[in-house]
Amino acid sequence: GNSVTQMEGPVTLSEEAFLTINCTYTATGYPSLFWYVQYPGEGLQLLLKATKADDKGSNKGFEATYRKETTSFHLEKGSVQVSDSAVYFCALSDQGGSEKLVFGKGMKLTVNP
Amino acid sequence: GAVVSQHPSWVICKSGTSVKIECRSLDFQATTMFWYRQFPKQSLMLMATSNEGSKATYEQGVEKDKFLINHASLTLSTLTVTSAHPEDSSFYICSAREQPTNTEAFFGQGTRLTVV
Repeated sequence: GNSVTQMEGPVTLSEEAFLTINCTYTATGYPSLFWYVQYPGEGLQLLLKATKADDKGSNKGFEATYRKETTSFHLEKGSVQVSDSAVYFCALSDQGGSEKLVFGKGMKLTVNP
Repeated sequence: GAVVSQHPSWVICKSGTSVKIECRSLDFQATTMFWYRQFPKQSLMLMATSNEGSKATYEQGVEKDKFLINHASLTLSTLTVTSAHPEDSSFYICSAREQPTNTEAFFGQGTRLTVV
């Protein structure tokens, strides 16, 4: 079946550090890939997504590229801020939209000033 | 983005009792709602999908008689954990989608259930 494997953390970084959160997936066909973020006390929010190979999703300075050859969707940000402290989830859906999402375990990021 | 409110945020109940968790779409009508569960150090796992006015579709391995889902209106879905046991202690999250297919789903903040 479909699955997502991501870095689990927790990870603590200093402000302005470079961030990479690895995510790899196993799926049949051509899934859509997502990164969700959950800030303290809030629901998961869609951060970015990509629906086909070589697509790059980007939002709020975060980027991730859909790499079919390596079945990866790594999240990157060049300079993190304290406000980026949150839990990050990688997910996939084999049904186009955000239906029946398959999630990774989530990774807690803390950014210190 | 659209807002989904989940209530309560946390609940502690005694073993054998039932607990109801509400999921409301505040500023849109949700034709479809999803219920997920996350055990400690595990992934969020889809439990069931509910469409307004019809029976929920449960994922394999999820007991429909234990996890009762009601989606009686376009803005409210409820998950009732019946005869809860300590192994049901988990983090439950709902999400809601406005259109039937291929649009973004918005998530509630989750409910931490502890059964003692």
